[in-house]
Amino acid sequence: GDSVTQMEGPVTLSEEAFLTINCTYTATGYPSLFWYVQYPGEGLQLLLKATKADDKGSNKGFEATYRKETTSFHLEKGSVQVSDSAVYFCALRVWDMRFGAGTRLTVKP
Amino acid sequence: DTAVSQTPKYLVTQMGNDKSIKCEQNLGHDTMYWYKQDSKKFLKIMFSYNNKELIINETVPNRFSPKSPDKAHLNLHINSLELGDSAVYFCASSQDSGGSTDTQYFGPGTRLTVL
Repeated sequence: GDSVTQMEGPVTLSEEAFLTINCTYTATGYPSLFWYVQYPGEGLQLLLKATKADDKGSNKGFEATYRKETTSFHLEKGSVQVSDSAVYFCALRVWDMRFGAGTRLTVKP
Repeated sequence: DTAVSQTPKYLVTQMGNDKSIKCEQNLGHDTMYWYKQDSKKFLKIMFSYNNKELIINETVPNRFSPKSPDKAHLNLHINSLELGDSAVYFCASSQDSGGSTDTQYFGPGTRLTVL
């Protein structure tokens, strides 16, 4: 079935460090790919998405490129801030939404 | 201006009780969902409703029943609560259940604790 695998956390970085959170997927159809972010005590918020191969989603300095050849959608940010501390979920959708297990990111000043 | 709202935010109750969680969306979306997030942050879809029709039911115990009085509301009723029901429950909505590009918008969650 359709599924998402993302790197296990937790990930701890210093402020201004480079961030990569790996995400790979398995899908029978042509999925759209999403990154959601969950700040402490809050619901999930859409961070970015890409709906077809080679599309790049970007928002708030975060980027991810839909790579069909490697079935990946890795999340990157060039310089993280303390306020980026949250849990990040990779997800795909063909019909229903499938989420990865989440990666907790902590950014220290 | 909250897009997807849920009440209550916290719910503490005894085993065996029956409880409800309410969800409302003001986005004009056609489809609403309920997810369960366990203590390890794993998200599992429970139900989705499209125009008052149940279209997904992922092996959820029949103690759980979604009820949609209209397109903007999807309430979750839970009978005979068990310890294992303790989790955070999220409501979500999207424009069209058939579109893979549709973004799902989430409510703030309801933390249910069963004692």
